[in-house]
Amino acid sequence: KAGVTQTPRYLIKTRGQQVTLSCSPISGHRSVSWYQQTPGQGLQFLFEYFSETQRNKGNFPGRFSGRQFSNSRSEMNVSTLELGDSALYLCASSLSGGAGHEQFFGPGTRLTVL
Amino acid sequence: AQTVTQSQPEMSVQEAETVTLSCTYDTSESNYYLFWYKQPPSRQMILVIRQEAYKQQNATENRFSVNFQKAAKSFSLKISDSQLGDTAMYFCALTEGGSEKLVFGKGMKLTVNP
Repeated sequence: KAGVTQTPRYLIKTRGQQVTLSCSPISGHRSVSWYQQTPGQGLQFLFEYFSETQRNKGNFPGRFSGRQFSNSRSEMNVSTLELGDSALYLCASSLSGGAGHEQFFGPGTRLTVL
Repeated sequence: AQTVTQSQPEMSVQEAETVTLSCTYDTSESNYYLFWYKQPPSRQMILVIRQEAYKQQNATENRFSVNFQKAAKSFSLKISDSQLGDTAMYFCALTEGGSEKLVFGKGMKLTVNP
């Protein structure tokens, strides 16, 4: 079974631009979560989606948004990029969501904002 | 609010030694799960071990075991017979209630030397 895939793997943008990151979960997984990883703040939760519905959202500004499609693939969008948005963005999928289920992580998208 | 604290930022051990990584947490929920994740230099986050709070028995996965002290809110990871491939960042994490949201500690960098 293929693992979680994230595209693109690397991205360079300039301040003020917007970006869309994509995550394809493991086949059969219906839950997708997103995390931002930075050296200063560590790993922070962004969103959790299950069956196209956002079930939980982290403490991030409205510039960060996401969605999930009927095939469970998910995208996250960051508008009006700031230098502080430079980070590794990780996506994780699980079979059915809910606390305690093992979440499988993708390799991440490294976003650099110049 | 739930918190996870890893007080040791870095440790170094020799191959074949045993090492213990410490973690404390705080949550007001009675239903929660604890995890240890490993992130090697490749940045791929991998689940090492998982513990349900309602289970008194400590989880074990091959060379990895935990010491779960519920009253003290402590969740340490013991790695026996350390191998070079264990070199990685190790993150302690918590989910609570019905949410899949992982709350991570700051991580600890483990280096296994030959």
